[in-house]
Amino acid sequence: EIVMTQSPATLSVSPGERATLSCRASQSVSSNLAWYQQKPGQAPRLLIFGASTRATGIPDRFSGSGSGTEFTLTISSLQSEDFAVYYCQQYDYWPPLTFGGGTKVEIK
Amino acid sequence: EVQLVESGGGLVQPGRSLRLSCAASGFTFDDYAMHWVRQAPGKGLEWISDISWNSDTVAYADSVKGRFTISRDNAKNSLYLEMNSLRAEDTALYYCAKEAVVRGCFDYWGQGTLVTVSS
Repeated sequence: EIVMTQSPATLSVSPGERATLSCRASQSVSSNLAWYQQKPGQAPRLLIFGASTRATGIPDRFSGSGSGTEFTLTISSLQSEDFAVYYCQQYDYWPPLTFGGGTKVEIK
Repeated sequence: EVQLVESGGGLVQPGRSLRLSCAASGFTFDDYAMHWVRQAPGKGLEWISDISWNSDTVAYADSVKGRFTISRDNAKNSLYLEMNSLRAEDTALYYCAKEAVVRGCFDYWGQGTLVTVSS
């Protein structure tokens, strides 16, 4: 099973600032990496797939990078609606599909 | 508009069974694999099962293998999860999720149905 590790667990950021979230895989997942956003009481929403391709309707302030075992989700200028929990997920080698533990982006 | 609506959750005693359903609309259901993902209260996401478009291929997480069974009825645009021998650790919000064009990730999720296993 591929273990996904996200850091930090919590990120405190002021509106308008940049947020950088990290995700590490226990073995290479190539570019088969997705990012999801989850707000309280809501289902997750797909943001990024293929490590760097934005899903339909996702604003361009969200960007993904990386390959192999190290990945980054960057939110260039945080808006109020971006405060949420973010999960990475690998789909290179499965079953099982595996998620990271999440990073909570909170208002500083 | 894609919609996924789960149902069937509730309070159940340990060792008992429950069947979850997911009604899909707004897309060609039998073109896509479907998945179940769960989230324990206050915890992260855990993939538990998937089924191919034609039911030929299914897969399970080790945590549910042998106890849960995924199935689908393409004529009814519906996905199911039969859960047997339920344990306290199965307590979670259960989401059904549509597989994206990219195999293995999810582009639409339902709102979930809560399963609570407790005596």
